[in-house]
Amino acid sequence: DTEVTQTPKHLVMGMTNKKSLKCEQHMGHRAMYWYKQKAKKPPELMFVYSYEKLSINESVPSRFSPECPNSSLLNLHLHALQPEDSALYLCASSQIISRWPEAFFGQGTRLTVV
Amino acid sequence: AQTVTQSQPEMSVQEAETVTLSCTYDTSENNYYLFWYKQPPSRQMILVIRQEAYKQQNATENRFSVNFQKAAKSFSLKISDSQLGDTAMYFCAFMNPDRGSTLGRLYFGRGTQLTVWP
Repeated sequence: DTEVTQTPKHLVMGMTNKKSLKCEQHMGHRAMYWYKQKAKKPPELMFVYSYEKLSINESVPSRFSPECPNSSLLNLHLHALQPEDSALYLCASSQIISRWPEAFFGQGTRLTVV
Repeated sequence: AQTVTQSQPEMSVQEAETVTLSCTYDTSENNYYLFWYKQPPSRQMILVIRQEAYKQQNATENRFSVNFQKAAKSFSLKISDSQLGDTAMYFCAFMNPDRGSTLGRLYFGRGTQLTVWP
């Protein structure tokens, strides 16, 4: 199983809503990532979890709140978002100690904030 | 800081032909990995090929191969016998696996949109 599964695939939310994005992997990877990607741009790193602990926060606004309940799951809680937060949100996972630490990506959640 | 540069925003190639996408990077590290990822309209980032910096031999995966020039900090991707399904955005990416503070972080280039036409 080399899949990273993200749900939902599409999400439309109002600026006062609270929603969550979910990511799951069963490859035994102990590093998980959230990236944000605008159209025709490369992904931008938001958060990195290592062994279920937050290790990197790229100065992301607090309206984005990550959570790693266990080694297979990664959530991104959304609250009071702005229209400029509309983007594709990608989850990824990778080995930490490995000859090949490449990241495997999910299909992403297309988020629209109205 | 690591930077990755892709100087070709768009390229096109006819089916069955060969195309080369360019990538240069800047780093002071000696141990690192380089990757090419493909992102078709379906949005999923798919790993195409990978290269370890200490390996002089260029990586090859079926129709995809790289020309890795460590001294020049160049990492180009050659796609042979191009197929319609190769149409996608291609991102070159750099990773330094050793630094705790940059654990697993991928530094991406701006991407090259490749179109394969019949």
